[in-house]
Parts: sequence; structure tokens; C-alpha cells
Amino acid sequence: QVQLVQSGAEVKKPGASVKVSCKASGYTFTRYFMHWVRQAPGQGLEWMGIINPSGGSTTYAQKLQGRVTMTRDTSTNTVYMELSSLRSEDTAVYYCARDVRITVADSYYYYMDVWGKGTTVTVSS
Amino acid sequence: DIQMTQSPSSLSASVGDRVTITCRASQSISSYLNWYQQKPGKAPKVLIYAASSLQSGVPSRISGSGSGTDFTLTISSLQPEDFATYYCQQSYSTPHTFGQGTKLEIK
Repeated sequence: QVQLVQSGAEVKKPGASVKVSCKASGYTFTRYFMHWVRQAPGQGLEWMGIINPSGGSTTYAQKLQGRVTMTRDTSTNTVYMELSSLRSEDTAVYYCARDVRITVADSYYYYMDVWGKGTTVTVSS
Repeated sequence: DIQMTQSPSSLSASVGDRVTITCRASQSISSYLNWYQQKPGKAPKVLIYAASSLQSGVPSRISGSGSGTDFTLTISSLQPEDFATYYCQQSYSTPHTFGQGTKLEIK
């Protein structure tokens, strides 16, 4: 079955970087884009960006441009999200989610069909 | 960026009630609208994609409608497992923004 297994919780100091991994299984890794979404404590969902595991191309939320880097390793079917210059506002649960593209009435539509369990990142001095 | 606004932010209802949650986009997004359900401590789960298509395995008491800028999620007869937070999300253009969420609570 399709699974996304994320790395464990992290505690970081302000100014540091964190790298979260998301290992995919149960499907052809390079055929599906991958999103990253985060959720601060008690808050809503925030879209961070998307990576194409086939070619490695990325699109990031403008708010995070310059601090976020998404990469992939096709030999291990793993995507990574690295966030630098961490600040307290980056404390959140970080999710990876597979992007599925489906045809409805001759148009392509996109949504996130499988999610990882989330990785808690705490930024604290 | 396209802003997504949900209403209400919270809602109290009883088992068996019919409830409707609305989502408005700041510009037309055609039918590029998805709905997710999230329970405490869990990852979101997709319910509806392309505004009105029911994800496999989701009960038929849940439905979605709308196009352009105005969308609704309806649960025809609330069950205990439906009490959760619901988010709309547009996939028309990046960033794929979410609404702020609607928390559905037991009355």
C-alpha cells in the first residue's frame, strides 16, 4: 500500500537549520509530485511548496523563498525539506503529501491523496 | 496569491443534523477546490476533489458543490466520526492555499 514515512521529531535553536525526510513506498516514486505542508500549534494548514521527484524541479511559497529547499533522492525514494534560519514561528508539524492528478470531464485536477504522519519541529532557545 | 475564506470558523451540531460549510476564493478557481478533514493529532484526509468528486472510501453523506469563487461542503446526516476540522484548498495556482478551517463540534 502507498505509504509516506517521515523522520522523527526535531528540536532546534533559533538560527539553525532542520532537514525533514519523507520516504515513499508502494508506488512509482517519480510519477507523483510531492507537497510539503506545515501546521503551527493550534493553527491551520500552510502550503510550503512542491517538488517533482522525476526532475527535481520545485516551486516554493514566496513567504519561504530563500529559506526552504526541497530535494529528492530517487535511489531511496525519499524527498527532503530543509528549512534554514529557523525562528520560533517555524515551530510546527511538517507533513509531506503526495500530489495526485486526475482527469474529470477532460480537465486535470490535483489534490493530496496520501499524507505522512507528520514531523514535529520545535524551535526554542 | 489566492485567498480562501471559510465560514463559519466553528460550528456546533448534533448527530443526525445536516451541516454546510462554505468556502470563498478571492478570484475564480473554476473547480480546482478540494476539501480535507483533520482530526486532532492526525494528518488531513481528502474528502472531496475537483469541487464535487467524492474520494474513494468517503461516505456518500458527504458532498461538495460550487465553481468559480463559491463552494460548499455538506454533510447530510452527521455521524459521531464527522466531528473534526475541515479545510478547503485551491489547486488552481501556486501557492495552493488553504482556508483557515472550520471546527465542527458536538452540541
